[in-house]
Amino acid sequence: NTKITQSPRYLILGRANKSLECEQHLGHNAMYWYKQSAEKPPELMFLYNLKQLIRNETVPSRFIPECPDSSKLLLHISAVDPEDSAVYFCASSPWGTTNERLFFGHGTKLSVL
Amino acid sequence: AQSVTQPDARVTVSEGASLQLRCKYSYSATPYLFWYVQYPRQGLQLLLKYYSGDPVVQGVNGFEAEFSKSNSSFHLRKASVHWSDSAVYFCAVSITSSSFSKLVFGQGTSLSVVP
Repeated sequence: NTKITQSPRYLILGRANKSLECEQHLGHNAMYWYKQSAEKPPELMFLYNLKQLIRNETVPSRFIPECPDSSKLLLHISAVDPEDSAVYFCASSPWGTTNERLFFGHGTKLSVL
Repeated sequence: AQSVTQPDARVTVSEGASLQLRCKYSYSATPYLFWYVQYPRQGLQLLLKYYSGDPVVQGVNGFEAEFSKSNSSFHLRKASVHWSDSAVYFCAVSITSSSFSKLVFGQGTSLSVVP
């Protein structure tokens, strides 16, 4: 799926700060960050609809989302923890309503040393 | 609480055999149900979805699923599997709460298709 691009693809960190980036070329209004730990299902971290954060799951405060425009989504991580090792997926949908399918990017695999 | 249960963590079938992956949901309202597939090192892709109407829904690549309200189930089926179907399959329910909706996924079933 090249319509949702994520960068970087792989990330290896010590206790550093880093940002994950996502851009969607589908004209969607809702964008999501999901975290998928090893052999677990994806879990919703943040949801943006029309650039407004309308749902913030109980994630650690070191994760800060940003939506500079309706097609871009960032995830800033400060002082990563080993428990943060996971694949982070960006997803989008037209309006963030119940009956919509989500389109996922390829993910960023974060490995914390 | 709303949830999705996939009782089989791993399933192995022979190529050409039929397949059923089980999914049970718990949701008080009318559920919107989905099956997604995840190939190695990729994001999730939609296989099929159910909103209402005919309880048997058709998806891509020969997959279908049957919704049963009485059994609270949404099992995925395929008549004849191919080695390329090896992947992890997630059942999901879309939950609406006040002003937003979100997908809640089951734990996933890892499918291995062997010769």
